Order: sequence, then C-alpha cells, then structure tokens
Amino acid sequence: GENVEQHPSTLSVQEGDSAVIKCTYSDSASNYFPWYKQELGKGPQLIIDIRSNVGEKKDQRIAVTLNKTAKHFSLHITETQPEDSAVYFCAARIGGGSNYKLTFGKGTLLTVNP
Amino acid sequence: DGGITQSPKYLFRKEGQNVTLSCEQNLNHDAMYWYRQDPGQGLRLIYYSQIVNDFQKGDIAEGYSVSREKKESFPLTVTSAQKNPTAFYLCASSSDRYEQYFGPGTRLTVT
Repeated sequence: GENVEQHPSTLSVQEGDSAVIKCTYSDSASNYFPWYKQELGKGPQLIIDIRSNVGEKKDQRIAVTLNKTAKHFSLHITETQPEDSAVYFCAARIGGGSNYKLTFGKGTLLTVNP
Repeated sequence: DGGITQSPKYLFRKEGQNVTLSCEQNLNHDAMYWYRQDPGQGLRLIYYSQIVNDFQKGDIAEGYSVSREKKESFPLTVTSAQKNPTAFYLCASSSDRYEQYFGPGTRLTVT
C-alpha cells in the first residue's frame, strides 16, 4: 500500500519567516495530495490540496508544490503568523477505481514565535 | 449550519465495555470515514463507507464495528476486543474521492 513520510516532525520559526514542510510518497499511482491543519483538541481542517495534473497551487500565504518524478510534495507558508502554529498533516490518495482512501503522514508541529 | 458533528467530545469507559461513538453529517455527502489518532501519530483509517448499507475495513479495523443505515449517520462501536482503545477518534465525510472534511473528534479514555 501507500506510504507517506513527512519531515520535519517539529519546526520552529520566527513570525514573518517562511515555513516549508515536505512529504514523500511511495506509490506512483497517487494522484491527490491534501494538506490539513490541526489545532489542539480539534479536528483537522483542509487548507489546500493539489492533484497530479498540476505542479503548483497557491492560496494567499499558502502554496503546495508537487514533483511527480521524485514523488514528493511540499507545503510552503510565507509571512508566518502566531495563529499558523498548529500540527500540519500531508496525505496522499492512490488513483483509479473507486478508491477513497487517504494515507496520512505523521504530522509536523509548527511553532511560530512572536 | 452545515457540517459534521461528533458526540460526545469526551467519553470515559471501563475496560471490557463496548462503547459507541456518534457521527452525523448534514452535508449530503455519500462517503464517510472513521480515523484513529494517537499522540505523535498520523491519522489511521478504521472503516469507511462510500454508500448507505455498505462499508469497508480500513487499515486498523480489528476490534471495531460500524453501520451505515442512513446517509447522514455512521456510528462507530469500539468493542472490548480492541486492545488499546484510548485514543482521539475522528469522523470525516466527502462528496467524491477527493476532499475529506473532518468533525471535531471524540476523545475516548478507557481505564
């Protein structure tokens, strides 16, 4: 099955700096890659996603890039703010058929210091 | 408000008891999912259902059971056969094979 590795496990940045979180996946048939933000004690919130026919997607301060050849994708947060502090999860879905399953990375705890 | 509700937020049970976690959605989504989250771990899929009256095992289904009698509801029963039931349980739903939206979660503690 699919395996998703996420790095780093913790990341601390100063307010205003950029943050980058990277994920690699094992199955070249994967075609959908969402990113979730989870605040303490809450459910994960979908913040951005990308499909395999696109190399980059941006939404205000958040962007995701996908390198299908290398089988990795990254989350970029610019101009970080204290409210960006949370755990971020990447995930991948293997395409084809009626497969609805997402495989998640283990998460990155991002701390933005004021 | 449209969304996914999970109840209760906190649940305490004695070892050996079965317990049922509730998940309801009013988003008219066909697919629903149950995940388990342990400290420092990603989300692991327990069961999922793509349509009413049908469901499939995920990666860690042992010790759990589900039903999908209504489109809006997907309850999860944690049985006494689950060896380490204490965890944060998350329900999600989706309208297609892409975006999944999560509920607020139920924290289950078994002593």
